[in-house]
Amino acid sequence: DAKTTQPPSMDCAEGRAANLPCNHSTISGNEYVYWYRQIHSQGPQYIIHGLKNNETNEMASLIITEDRKSSTLILPHATLRDTAVYYCIVIRASGGSYIPTFGRGTSLIVHP
Amino acid sequence: NAGVMQNPRHLVRRRGQEARLRCSPMKGHSHVYWYRQLPEEGLKFMVYLQKENIIDESGMPKERFSAEFPKEGPSILRIQQVVRGDSAAYFCASSPDEAAYGYTFGSGTRLTVV
Repeated sequence: DAKTTQPPSMDCAEGRAANLPCNHSTISGNEYVYWYRQIHSQGPQYIIHGLKNNETNEMASLIITEDRKSSTLILPHATLRDTAVYYCIVIRASGGSYIPTFGRGTSLIVHP
Repeated sequence: NAGVMQNPRHLVRRRGQEARLRCSPMKGHSHVYWYRQLPEEGLKFMVYLQKENIIDESGMPKERFSAEFPKEGPSILRIQQVVRGDSAAYFCASSPDEAAYGYTFGSGTRLTVV
């Protein structure tokens, strides 16, 4: 019952930009978009999050469309260590609190 | 740099035994979330707790599973009378408040039921 849709897999050449799309057409006005990644069954690692504006940090950039129904995570110069499952999630409200709900994610393979 | 600490990292139990998984949230975090990940699948939400309170347990099986987050000490996920289908990785996350910031995950406990 995840609120996001992502392609199951993508691949990218090392050194190139990896652009991972996510659809969240039912997102509510006060719900955030978060991106996490999971490398080989380790604990999920936070990447970036946003509400309506584009965001950038040392790991990635997040582009959110104006209608907020989709977003793209950009890894500007992918490396082999970026091979992971990437999860786009929106926070759902529950009794005034927020619970991250995960879908199947996108398995990104970065190849030499 | 104490993040979310989970122990044990690996746990082997025979069918019918009890499994106790521990999660110590980051310092200053009062919200704990437990997730289960079956092999080759995504993370499934189980339960959300604040200190001494279960806020949302909609993802937790009604039988054999329980969770607590006492005033002192770590959060505990308890699975009674384990079965082979309980074999999975169990992750916990913590956050500082209910404002949807700063979910930090632990490294998980891998439960194997033999």
